[in-house]
Amino acid sequence: DAGVIQSPRHEVTEMGQEVTLRCKPISGHDYLFWYRQTMMRGLELLIYFNNNVPIDDSGMPEDRFSAKMPNASFSTLKIQPSEPRDSAVYFCASSFGSGVRREQFFGPGTRLTVL
Amino acid sequence: GDSVTQMEGPVTLSEEAFLTINCTYTATGYPSLFWYVQYPGEGLQLLLKATKADDKGSNKGFEATYRKETTSFHLEKGSVQVSDSAVYFCALDMDSSYKLIFGSGTRLLVRP
Repeated sequence: DAGVIQSPRHEVTEMGQEVTLRCKPISGHDYLFWYRQTMMRGLELLIYFNNNVPIDDSGMPEDRFSAKMPNASFSTLKIQPSEPRDSAVYFCASSFGSGVRREQFFGPGTRLTVL
Repeated sequence: GDSVTQMEGPVTLSEEAFLTINCTYTATGYPSLFWYVQYPGEGLQLLLKATKADDKGSNKGFEATYRKETTSFHLEKGSVQVSDSAVYFCALDMDSSYKLIFGSGTRLLVRP
């Protein structure tokens, strides 16, 4: 299995530009999570999906952030317009099932720098 | 709300030393507990987990025991290696929410 795939691995953009981060979860997994990691705030859950439906987006910082999951094998996190304080590493993770079997598998992350 | 507290890092040890990284949690119910490890430039990997009180999770020489009475899940290893240098995250989740709540992470540096 290829694991969780994220693209791009690095993104440098200028303030005000639109940024789209992409994630392909592990095949067969029914949960998908987006996290943000910064030195100041650590790891924060932004949003998660179950069977392509957003379940909890309470961690999305503001309306500039949006996430979609059009099908079971693809999700995007979009920031429009981007700001320097959005600079962080964004991780996507996926898991299968409920109860004690579930384990979140993380992608390698996208390092975003907003100038 | 639910939360996880980890000891501050960095922790610097010599190779073959004993490792303990403290983790305590606050939760309204009965969470599952996890240790994740993040190597430089990589995503997080599950190291071990425990789903109920007195369970012991173990993997790659690392161990942690779910202690309900002290609300703790301390990570231990008897003899660390240079390759164990990484950031270690303690986390919990509740069956009802599927959300992982992470501690702040503890950086471990093992010197040869």
